[in-house]
Amino acid sequence: EPEVTQTPSHQVTQMGQEVILRCVPISNHLYFYWYRQILGQKVEFLVSFYNNEISEKSEIFDDQFSVERPDGSNFTLKIRSTKLEDSAMYFCAIPGLAGTDTQYFGPGTRLTVL
Amino acid sequence: AQSVTQLDSHVSVSEGTPVLLRCNYSSSYSPSLFWYVQHPNKGLQLLLKYTSAATLVKGINGFEAEFKKSETSFHLTKPSAHMSDAAEYFCVVTLANFGNEKLTFGTGTRLTIIP
Repeated sequence: EPEVTQTPSHQVTQMGQEVILRCVPISNHLYFYWYRQILGQKVEFLVSFYNNEISEKSEIFDDQFSVERPDGSNFTLKIRSTKLEDSAMYFCAIPGLAGTDTQYFGPGTRLTVL
Repeated sequence: AQSVTQLDSHVSVSEGTPVLLRCNYSSSYSPSLFWYVQHPNKGLQLLLKYTSAATLVKGINGFEAEFKKSETSFHLTKPSAHMSDAAEYFCVVTLANFGNEKLTFGTGTRLTIIP
């Protein structure tokens, strides 16, 4: 089972501020996914990223969001100007080595927007 | 398009009794189906997966699920509940054989174990 870490574990920010959430897989991966879970709700797909390009994004992933792979290993999700409704758990996921149907999730970053 | 419906938002069982968490799916193509578990304030852990091999799938911690195409169901079961099973369980679907498709989650079932 591939491992992935996320930093920070908890981020508190003021509305309107920019935040960057990081995902670091233990081994090299070309595919990454971001999901979010608003408190008490289901997990929702945000974006998938393959080989330095967005391959699919949801309607949630508007112009306030961006993703990139700045140094070939870390994978970041940036929210340009946070809103109260961005408060959620954000999960990074990577595909399993044995096949691409299965995704393994990081521990998540809890984002709190005040 | 694909979706999953988890029929119960909350299930309570006594320790040592069977667990049944229900899930129905909808998919335009052959699906891959998963169950993930989320313990309080923790991440998402893969319990088991169905990817068009055996219809009865065994997972970790004694859980298993059966894929029934005729009923479009993928219910999760465990013969005997343990206190440590208390968690949120998510049924998840994706398109099989397409590769690297997004996961679509159900709304979750909170499992409570009564001592």
